[in-house]
Amino acid sequence: EAGVAQSPRYKIIEKRQSVAFWCNPISGHATLYWYQQILGQGPKLLIQFQNNGVVDDSQLPKDRFSAERLKGVDSTLKIQPAKLEDSAVYLCASSRPGTGASGANVLTFGAGSRLTVL
Amino acid sequence: QKEVEQNSGPLSVPEGAIASLNCTYSDRVSQSFFWYRQYSGKSPELIMSIYSNGDKEDGRFTAQLNKASQYVSLLIRDSQPSDSATYLCALSGYSTLTFGKGTMLLVSP
Repeated sequence: EAGVAQSPRYKIIEKRQSVAFWCNPISGHATLYWYQQILGQGPKLLIQFQNNGVVDDSQLPKDRFSAERLKGVDSTLKIQPAKLEDSAVYLCASSRPGTGASGANVLTFGAGSRLTVL
Repeated sequence: QKEVEQNSGPLSVPEGAIASLNCTYSDRVSQSFFWYRQYSGKSPELIMSIYSNGDKEDGRFTAQLNKASQYVSLLIRDSQPSDSATYLCALSGYSTLTFGKGTMLLVSP
């Protein structure tokens, strides 16, 4: 089974510039997540998709962050304009449908995209 | 908003000892509980899940859940230097998974 693919792995930009990250989940995984992990902290959920609908985006800074999952498969996370505090690893994860002990919310993470904002 | 509390550590144990990692949470609706391991510079990977009160064992790992006390723990028996990593506690209600900040574990040879 192929894993969660993310690109680019690393990105360095200056503040006020824009950046986009791409994620392709595991085949058959309906739920896709974008997490932000700042150094020394746990992952923080930015947005969760179920197929191509948004389940939770309550912690997404919508004035600068946007995300889409147009065909229910791959997804793009965009930041525009970037701030210094956006420096972090952006983790994409996916999980299969179901609830509780059936295995839902058992996330498989991609390798992450490390963003440095100067 | 769910809150997941973990001691950031580091927790230092000698090789062969039992490492005990603890996590408390504020949301009584949470149904599913997970422990993820994250090596430095790598992504989190699932090591244990637990859904009911009590203990669940998998090899050298034992997860313990007490919903009344809102407490979940992970025991690692016969700790090895390769267990040195950050351990993230995570929980979910019906959909969203919330992570704690993680506890760094250092196992010395």
